[in-house]
Amino acid sequence: GAVVSQHPSWVICKSGTSVKIECRSLDFQATTMFWYRQFPKQSLMLMATSNEGSKATYEQGVEKDKFLINHASLTLSTLTVTSAHPEDSSFYICSARDHELAERTQYFGPGTRLLVL
Amino acid sequence: AQTVTQSQPEMSVQEAETVTLSCTYDTSESDYYLFWYKQPPSRQMILVIRQEAYKQQNATENRFSVNFQKAAKSFSLKISDSQLGDAAMYFCAYSAEYGNKLVFGAGTILRVKS
Repeated sequence: GAVVSQHPSWVICKSGTSVKIECRSLDFQATTMFWYRQFPKQSLMLMATSNEGSKATYEQGVEKDKFLINHASLTLSTLTVTSAHPEDSSFYICSARDHELAERTQYFGPGTRLLVL
Repeated sequence: AQTVTQSQPEMSVQEAETVTLSCTYDTSESDYYLFWYKQPPSRQMILVIRQEAYKQQNATENRFSVNFQKAAKSFSLKISDSQLGDAAMYFCAYSAEYGNKLVFGAGTILRVKS
């Protein structure tokens, strides 16, 4: 149980284009999903908290218009990197919490490697 | 603000031996959750073990156990009978009782020697 998927796992795009990353909870419902960014050999940096049916909450320093988050259902959240530039190249990871459980465990997707040329 | 500190950037252990990874945290809360996550080269984050602060008993999961010292705000991970598959980056993380966010430490790279 508690499986989270991400799609795509790898994406290469040209500078100026937009890229959409999907995060799905496969066997549980998640009222809250999280988006992280990770650089090589570094820790995870929380970008935003995605709540089903409401606007995402962004961390300080994260551009809302750059990283659009939509949490349209209890099993799907999307992150769109708009007008991507080479500095947006990174590893993006989502996680989800099972809203029926009181525990605070987040289950993570396998990540998406984004390379902007 | 809560912070999590992992003071060991890298650790090495011989296969079949035991290793302990350190983690300290800072919080003014009395109820919270602590986690150890493992990130192997595939970069998939895997939950290793979870500890609720209100529980005095240390959590254990097979070869993995924690030493939770609430007063000292310390949460170390002990890996017994280390295996090659244990080689990974290990992250200690904190979550408040009434919050959603996970606060991560900087991570410890564990190398397992055969």
